[in-house]
Amino acid sequence: DQQVKQNSPSLSVQEGRISILNCDYTNSMFDYFLWYKKYPAEGPTFLISISSIKDKNEDGRFTVFLNKSAKHLSLHIVPSQPGDSAVYFCAASANTGNQFYFGTGTSLTVIP
Amino acid sequence: ETGVTQSPTHLIKTRGQQVTLRCSSQSGHNTVSWYQQALGQGPQFIFQYYREEENGRGNFPPRFSGLQFPNYSSELNVNALELDDSALYLCASRQDLTGSPLHFGNGTRLTVT
Repeated sequence: DQQVKQNSPSLSVQEGRISILNCDYTNSMFDYFLWYKKYPAEGPTFLISISSIKDKNEDGRFTVFLNKSAKHLSLHIVPSQPGDSAVYFCAASANTGNQFYFGTGTSLTVIP
Repeated sequence: ETGVTQSPTHLIKTRGQQVTLRCSSQSGHNTVSWYQQALGQGPQFIFQYYREEENGRGNFPPRFSGLQFPNYSSELNVNALELDDSALYLCASRQDLTGSPLHFGNGTRLTVT
């Protein structure tokens, strides 16, 4: 049973524009969320996190939004750069738990 | 600051054999987790170790076992390898049990033939 879903397998965006990657979850106990970027032949690299006490967190070009009522989070990248081309994973955990549940990833291509 | 390192990077084994994968956690991190990532999927939780004790386990059979050492490095052992065990095995460390992100190594690509 997939508790974290990324329904868009791929996304293409023009350089300089905004990239929006979406993630949905089903478990209302999840209270800590992460986004990772993964290049081929490398492990996932941590990008940004958000806890359920917030609805927005920013770090440079990356902003994560959390909508708890909709069980939805999104990652905004502004402006998008060709080096952002990678697979992006969202992950969620419950404070009482010890594992992260990952989505299946969205492959982002930023076109120069 | 040294990141998470895993060895070996690639491994080919035959069905029925046993394999040991190794991981050194990031300095200052006392919690290590192992994840399996099949092609086209997200990482799946195998288990977590905190201060040398198993602290949680995902839906993997007992032939997947692990260890954490006093220096917080870790091993993943898989016995009686099956073809479906072919995957990328990722080790991740974090500081304490909750409220901090996982930091991953580059993984070990295991192929079972």
